[in-house]
Amino acid sequence: ETGVTQTPRHLVMGMTNKKSLKCEQHLGHNAMYWYKQSAKKPLELMFVYNFKEQTENNSVPSRFSPECPNSSHLFLHLHTLQPEDSALYLCASSPRTSGGHTDTQYFGPGTRLTVL
Amino acid sequence: AQKVTQAQTEISVVEKEDVTLDCVYETRDTTYYLFWYKQPPSGELVFLIRRNSFDEQNEISGRYSWNFQKSTSSFNFTITASQVVDSAVYFCALSEAGRGADGLTFGKGTHLIIQP
Repeated sequence: ETGVTQTPRHLVMGMTNKKSLKCEQHLGHNAMYWYKQSAKKPLELMFVYNFKEQTENNSVPSRFSPECPNSSHLFLHLHTLQPEDSALYLCASSPRTSGGHTDTQYFGPGTRLTVL
Repeated sequence: AQKVTQAQTEISVVEKEDVTLDCVYETRDTTYYLFWYKQPPSGELVFLIRRNSFDEQNEISGRYSWNFQKSTSSFNFTITASQVVDSAVYFCALSEAGRGADGLTFGKGTHLIIQP
C-alpha cells in the first residue's frame, strides 16, 4: 500500500450505532488530519494531530472522537450521529517538519458516510 | 482571517478548449502558501501545486499552468487543450505560515466538466 488509505470507503449507520473510520498513511509523515466535506460547503478541518498529539479541534461535536495511536494511524470514532453528519470524511497527512513551516498535505480517498 | 473564493461553481467546455479556473484569496500574513488540488469522482484530493507568497513566478507543468499575482491576490489555474480526464472538482487552498501545517482553508471548489 502506498500513500494514504481509508477504510471503509462507504458506511451507512443508524443514529444509535457506534462505528469507527480508519486512516493509515505510508508516507512516513508526522501529522495527520480529519476533514469533513459536505455537499455545497468547503472542506472543513476537524482535527489535527502532530506527532500523535492533538493540536487542533475545530469546535467539533463530542459525538466525533479522534484517536491517534501512532504517527501512521488515525481513527475517527462515531457515536449517536445525526443525519446532518452525512458527508465525505477525508483523512490527510503531512511531513510536519520543525519550525512550523507549511507542508503539503496528502489526502486519502475518503469515507462516504450516510447517517439514517 | 483567511479566506479563499472560487467564484466559478461549474464550468463546462468542449474537449481541447483552454479553460481557466479562478482563485482569489484573503490573508493578513505576508508569508503564506497557496495550493491547488484536484478531486476526481473517486473522491481523493490529488495535490497539484504549492506556491509560497515570495515566489510569484508562474509555473507550467505539461498542460497545466498557474498564474500567481499578489497585486490582485489571485492564483489562477489554466488547463490547455483540455481532456475528458480533466473533469473533476478543483480546489484552491491557503495556509498562513503562522499556522504551520495546521490546516488548510479551502475554497468551495470549481466543478470542471470536459465534454467530448
